[in-house]
Amino acid sequence: QKEVEQNSGPLSVPEGAIASLNCTYSDRVSQSFFWYRQYSGKSPELIMSIYSNGDKEDGRFTAQLNKASQYVSLLIRDSQPSDSATYLCAPPLRGAGNMLTFGGGTRLMVKP
Amino acid sequence: DAGVIQSPRHEVTEMGQEVTLRCKPISGHNSLFWYRQTMMRGLELLIYFNNNVPIDDSGMPEDRFSAKMPNASFSTLKIQPSEPRDSAVYFCASSLAGLAGADTQYFGPGTRLTVL
Repeated sequence: QKEVEQNSGPLSVPEGAIASLNCTYSDRVSQSFFWYRQYSGKSPELIMSIYSNGDKEDGRFTAQLNKASQYVSLLIRDSQPSDSATYLCAPPLRGAGNMLTFGGGTRLMVKP
Repeated sequence: DAGVIQSPRHEVTEMGQEVTLRCKPISGHNSLFWYRQTMMRGLELLIYFNNNVPIDDSGMPEDRFSAKMPNASFSTLKIQPSEPRDSAVYFCASSLAGLAGADTQYFGPGTRLTVL
C-alpha cells in the first residue's frame, strides 16, 4: 500500500460547483496534513494545513481531517477556472517531523 | 524576499556527464529539501538538511547522486554520471521548521533536467 493515496483524476467540475478532493494515508501517527496546489509547469504551493480532527475553513477552501479513518479531504466551493491545477496531499513522512511525503495528486479541471 | 532560487532553470546534457543543480533557500530558513518530480513517480523527497546538516538521505536513488550544503544560503545536488532515467524536474524547497515540527515548505521554480 502506498503511504498516500489520491485519485489521479482528472476531476472535472463546472464553474461554481463544489470540488471534493480526497486523500487516504497509511501512517496512523501522522499529526499534520498539508494540501499543496501545483499549476502545470509550476512549483507546488501550500494552500491549506490541518492539524486536528474536524474542519478547517479558509475562504473558499475547507480541509477535513478524520484521523480514525486516516482520511483527509479538501473542498473547494464556488470553483473557478483558475482553480484548475493538481492538488497534492502531503502528510509528514513517518508520522511526524519536517519531512513530507506527497501523494500523486489529483488533477482538477473547472470548466467555464 | 526573492523566494527560493534555483539554477539553472533548464539543463540538457548527455549521458555520462556531470550535472550540478544549485539552490539558494529563503533567508532565515533552517530546513532545505531536494525533491524530484516525474510523471511516473510523482514528487519524491531526495534529501533533507536541517541547519546545513544532512538529516535524511534515504530518498537519494543511488551513489551517483550527492548533495551538499556548505552554508545556510547555498546547496547543490550533483549527479555524476548522469543517465537518461535521471530526466525530471528537480525542486528545492525551504522551511522555517525544526526537526520535530512541520511547517510550510516554499518551493523554488525547479530545474528541468534532460539527459540525452
